Amino acid sequence: SQWGEENLQALSIQEGEDVTMNCSYKTYTTVVHWYRQDSGRGPALIILIRSNEREKRSGRLRATLDTSSQSSSLSITAAQCEDTAVYFCATNRGSALGRLHFGAGTQLIVIP
Amino acid sequence: ETAVFQTPNYHVTQVGNEVSFNCKQTLGHDTMYWYKQDSKKLLKIMFSYNNKQLIVNETVPRRFSPQSSDKAHLNLRIKSVEPEDSAVYLCASSLTGGLSAETLYFGSGTRLTVL
Repeated sequence: SQWGEENLQALSIQEGEDVTMNCSYKTYTTVVHWYRQDSGRGPALIILIRSNEREKRSGRLRATLDTSSQSSSLSITAAQCEDTAVYFCATNRGSALGRLHFGAGTQLIVIP
Repeated sequence: ETAVFQTPNYHVTQVGNEVSFNCKQTLGHDTMYWYKQDSKKLLKIMFSYNNKQLIVNETVPRRFSPQSSDKAHLNLRIKSVEPEDSAVYLCASSLTGGLSAETLYFGSGTRLTVL
């Protein structure tokens, strides 16, 4: 397995709470992508962090990357109902090509 | 705004039949992909393809084959479907396919059910 966790995780939180989703990988990567997938749609990129970055922010999103422990996290501040989705991390396994390999995903449900 | 279009949205068929799914991207990208998403939402890459190179994931059964008429289209044919082929098939594209930080743009998927 290329991933520390291969089962879909589920998180349920109240609106306004902060949440962090984790991703661990076993094969070297030069970049970690985070995608979200809404019901009935394909995944869409929300934030990307490169191996020379430790943290990246975009609005209420914050991604971190620890290459020594081969893990990344995605945090959402003050979650809103519209943040309900499945969140995936994806890595390139060290390849310069654009092929991405996705982790198992986290189903986030934000309750009003 | 959708720029990767997949048809059909759903397809139900019997074991042993042949099926074909269509994908078109209007982004002018050079590389297209097919991913399979199972019932647990796990996404696995099947193929990546541009004008120069087809890369096949070694775990993909030989009954699956990509078909491309030009760089904007990449169809997926399954020669003789099996029950384990039931899944959502997602098409994606990226600008060049040669950069690790390129964004993948996905279509909405085709849900295949094999009876």
